[in-house]
Amino acid sequence: NAGVMQNPRHLVRRRGQEARLRCSPMKGHSHVYWYRQLPEEGLKFMVYLQKENIIDESGMPKERFSAEFPKEGPSILRIQQVVRGDSAAYFCASSPRGPWDTGELFFGEGSRLTVL
Amino acid sequence: AQTVTQSQPEMSVQEAETVTLSCTYDTSESDYYLFWYKQPPSRQMILVIRQEAYKQQNATENRFSVNFQKAAKSFSLKISDSQLGDAAMYFCAYRSATGANSKLTFGKGITLSVRP
Repeated sequence: NAGVMQNPRHLVRRRGQEARLRCSPMKGHSHVYWYRQLPEEGLKFMVYLQKENIIDESGMPKERFSAEFPKEGPSILRIQQVVRGDSAAYFCASSPRGPWDTGELFFGEGSRLTVL
Repeated sequence: AQTVTQSQPEMSVQEAETVTLSCTYDTSESDYYLFWYKQPPSRQMILVIRQEAYKQQNATENRFSVNFQKAAKSFSLKISDSQLGDAAMYFCAYRSATGANSKLTFGKGITLSVRP
């Protein structure tokens, strides 16, 4: 019974490159959330997606960042033209819907992005 | 918008002693969840305890218990018989129980150290 799977666990990019982070939710979960954690800080909400829909992207930077959760396959957080300030740990979490939702979000182990 | 405040950045406790971590929140909703998550050096987010706002009884999980004061919007975590493995960052979090705003909002966290 696999938990939330994120990959890669570590990603190094040079300024200007693109970063793609993937998240496979727990089996049976149709809701995915992305969070960013800067060093010595808490987790900041970025985006909330359901299959093929972005529900809440109020925490996403207006430029360079995008997210998707296609009908098939993992959710993808994409950062274009990365800058040093994008260096952070990116966490994905998932939850089931409806009556199976106990309120808890289940987190992956995070993807650490380092921009050189 | 909901906010979660953890005003203590660091705390220290002697092994086997009891420590209380504070958290306050602000919301206009009446139905919500509150959580404490633990983040050890591995950075994995681990759920410690969960409280449903409509329940007056304080949640307990083994050595962990909460003091939930709904009117005061306070949600503190008590760790009894502290162990070395309890050393970690602890995050208080809020989540609406309505489907429209389902994201988890975190406080800034508190670093707990345990002295042997």
